[in-house]
Amino acid sequence: DAKTTQPNSMESNEEEPVHLPCNHSTISGTDYIHWYRQLPSQGPEYVIHGLTSNVNNRMASLAIAEDRKSSTLILHRATLRDAAVYYCILRDRETSGSRLTFGEGTQLTVNP
Amino acid sequence: EAQVTQNPRYLITVTGKKLTVTCSQNMNHEYMSWYRQDPGLGLRQIYYSMNVEVTDKGDVPEGYKVSRKEKRNFPLILESPSPNQTSLYFCASSRRLADSYEQYFGPGTRLTVT
Repeated sequence: DAKTTQPNSMESNEEEPVHLPCNHSTISGTDYIHWYRQLPSQGPEYVIHGLTSNVNNRMASLAIAEDRKSSTLILHRATLRDAAVYYCILRDRETSGSRLTFGEGTQLTVNP
Repeated sequence: EAQVTQNPRYLITVTGKKLTVTCSQNMNHEYMSWYRQDPGLGLRQIYYSMNVEVTDKGDVPEGYKVSRKEKRNFPLILESPSPNQTSLYFCASSRRLADSYEQYFGPGTRLTVT
């Protein structure tokens, strides 16, 4: 699977938007972009995924660059509960099936 | 409620004493897998199963066994645990292959081998 690069940590204030970047310059045409997050003392949970177009769901938005070499996870109004490690993962639909390869992720701190 | 359950949540054992960590899901998912999480190494896949009686090795399978006799259960077996298997273990499940956009993870099992 292609590699992703994320900042080690980011900080935000409560009720402000948060933009979490991810670089994936070697992404292939069959790679989906997935975001998972891991709250303290819990297992990872799915946040959002996309292929080419921007995506919105109840948790977040995913903005994908036109060349697909980077993407940004957007939390519209951060809450204290959003403090977690956020993982950007590429999944090759053709070769890796359901397998997810986790990197180190971005530790998001939300200040009250 | 859709969920993945693991038992036990915490386990302290001694080297060489066989143990089993159970994993069960109630979503009728075909795909199940086991990960371990270690500081500085992230989450690494141990074994996975595409369906009943179909299992395969992940990235770090040494020292582990699995079985998939029923769709809902996927136990992780450590025949002879060693201290380097001290870790946080997660079970996950999803629908199969290309449709499996969302994987559901269990709450984790913290294992200490002394």
